Amino acid sequence: RKEVEQDPGPFNVPEGATVAFNCTYSNSASQSFFWYRQDCRKEPKLLMSVYSSGNEDGRFTAQLNRASQYISLLIRDSKLSDSATYLCVVHKTNSGYALNFGKGTSLLVTP
Amino acid sequence: DTGVSQNPRHKITKRGQNVTFRCDPISEHNRLYWYRQTLGQGPEFLTYFQNEAQLEKSRLLSDRFSAERPKGSFSTLEIQRTEQGDSAMYLCASSLTGVAKNIQYFGAGTRLSVL
Repeated sequence: RKEVEQDPGPFNVPEGATVAFNCTYSNSASQSFFWYRQDCRKEPKLLMSVYSSGNEDGRFTAQLNRASQYISLLIRDSKLSDSATYLCVVHKTNSGYALNFGKGTSLLVTP
Repeated sequence: DTGVSQNPRHKITKRGQNVTFRCDPISEHNRLYWYRQTLGQGPEFLTYFQNEAQLEKSRLLSDRFSAERPKGSFSTLEIQRTEQGDSAMYLCASSLTGVAKNIQYFGAGTRLSVL
């Protein structure tokens, strides 16, 4: 079983729609969680960190459920520019500071 | 541009040749990481430096791979006797100890094609 699992999609949604991505992780000792965004053939860029209390940044909301080992990302009012791959990322514990990435979920927002 | 810089951006080589990539981290970032990404996959961790010390190596880092960070600033990743399976995007990232949960910032990567 992979340490971080995501539905690869693709998710095709119209502009203005709300879309949610989910992610599960296997290491219960994981301590830090992130969502990164990756555009085609570009490097991953941090979208937001994920805190236990949940956090929001504009149209984006991230939530963490430690008991279920589950992370989510909600995008409201989707824009064409949101089209990208969204990577769920977990900080590997007991092994320095390496990040453990999911395969990513592909989002295409259409006009 | 004060972000993570990687060179070259693209490298095409023949099987069996050696290649070397360079990464310049964000100034003053003491941690530096190498990852590899293949099509349809997320980045996979290869190795990590804190200052000049290589503190962790993944099982993915076979003995054909070697990484250095001699002065705790830039780093190089060398692949000897390249194989077609080495074709991938090699990403470098850097971070600063104790800042914002050690958030890692990535360079644009070096895309390696082994023919």
